[in-house]
Amino acid sequence: KAGVTQTPRYLIKTRGQQVTLSCSPISGHRSVSWYQQTPGQGLQFLFEYFSETQRNKGNFPGRFSGRQFSNSRSEMNVSTLELGDSALYLCASKPVPLANNEQFFGPGTRLTVL
Amino acid sequence: AQSVTQLGSHVSVSEGALVLLRCNYSSSVPPYLFWYVQYPNQGLQLLLKYTTGATLVKGINGFEAEFKKSETSFHLTKPSAHMSDAAEYFCAVSEESNYQLIWGAGTKLIIKP
Repeated sequence: KAGVTQTPRYLIKTRGQQVTLSCSPISGHRSVSWYQQTPGQGLQFLFEYFSETQRNKGNFPGRFSGRQFSNSRSEMNVSTLELGDSALYLCASKPVPLANNEQFFGPGTRLTVL
Repeated sequence: AQSVTQLGSHVSVSEGALVLLRCNYSSSVPPYLFWYVQYPNQGLQLLLKYTTGATLVKGINGFEAEFKKSETSFHLTKPSAHMSDAAEYFCAVSEESNYQLIWGAGTKLIIKP
């Protein structure tokens, strides 16, 4: 079974631009979560989608948004990029949003904002 | 609110020595507990998890962790460190009432030859 895939793996943008990252979960997984990872803040939860609905949202500004499609693939968008948005963005999937289910992570998208 | 504390942002051990990475959580109800590992330039991979039952949990790559409710701890151990264990390790907790994972800050494990 293929793992979680994320595209692109690396991205360089300039301040003020917007970016869209894509995540394809493991086949059969319907829950997709997004995280931002930085050396200073560690792993921070962005949002979770299940069956095309956002179920939970972390404490990020409205510039960060996401969506999920009917095939469970998910995208996240960051508008008006700031230098502080430079980070590794991780996507994780699991079959359904249950507390005892582990998440399966993709390799991440490394975003650099210049 | 739940929180997870990992003692030591960096832990250094010699190859062949015992690995002990500490994780303490705050939870008023029985939690679910996870350890993940992240190798450089990769995503996170599950090492082991505790949900119910036996409090000593065995994971991949020779790691194990023991859930101690009285100490609210879930420390990760490995009897003999290998160079390939060098990575960052994350402890996380979730509850039935709020199944979102709460993450520790991570511990970088350094293996000295």
